[in-house]
Amino acid sequence: QSALTQPPSASGSPGQSVTISCTGTSSDIGGYNYVSWYQQHPGKAPKLMIYEVTKRPSGVPDRFSGSKSGNTASLTVSGLQAEDEADYYCSSYAGRSVVFGGGTKLAVL
Amino acid sequence: EVQLVESGGGLVKPGGSLRLSCEASGFTFNQAWMTWVRQAPGKGLEWVGRIYIQSDGGATDYAAPVKGRFTISRDDSKNTLYLQMNSLQTEDTAVYYCTTYLRGYLEYWGHGTLVTVSP
Repeated sequence: QSALTQPPSASGSPGQSVTISCTGTSSDIGGYNYVSWYQQHPGKAPKLMIYEVTKRPSGVPDRFSGSKSGNTASLTVSGLQAEDEADYYCSSYAGRSVVFGGGTKLAVL
Repeated sequence: EVQLVESGGGLVKPGGSLRLSCEASGFTFNQAWMTWVRQAPGKGLEWVGRIYIQSDGGATDYAAPVKGRFTISRDDSKNTLYLQMNSLQTEDTAVYYCTTYLRGYLEYWGHGTLVTVSP
């Protein structure tokens, strides 16, 4: 059982927007502004997409955005493209550890 | 260009030991906190542990499932991170990734090395 809770799947059509939620507790998501999101394509290493709740690393399209309210963080992908189809994992700083969500498989229909 | 290259994975019997290495390049390794993350086949990501930089004491933290069995260390003269795994169990079977670590996020990842624990 993962420390953070994500829906197992999400989907959208090209051009649409989709939001993936990630729920934790006051000991992780709710206690720090250190939520990050990772994209993983099959057989590849994860890639950082969002860090510190809302920041995007260089090279990540601005179609990807993050937010947080209380103990729940969200990743929104706008203008869905075929290459966005992947697994997405949320993560949070939790003091002396890092916790991950179970992952969400995003399908672009 | 930042590169992290893991090595040392393979097949080991339950109760055995293995040491993974991660050679870093393209950044100032001795100023980087580092972590290990693993992913069991078909499963999600699991944080294994992290090591601070030497000037922060070189302390380590571990996830509960590996504490007391796994040890993270670093050799800054070789730009290399290590993961010593003892008393391996079948549930330790996974791809092991080394990553950089800063304020809870993992910016750079290696390609991973597969560890299989099987009789």
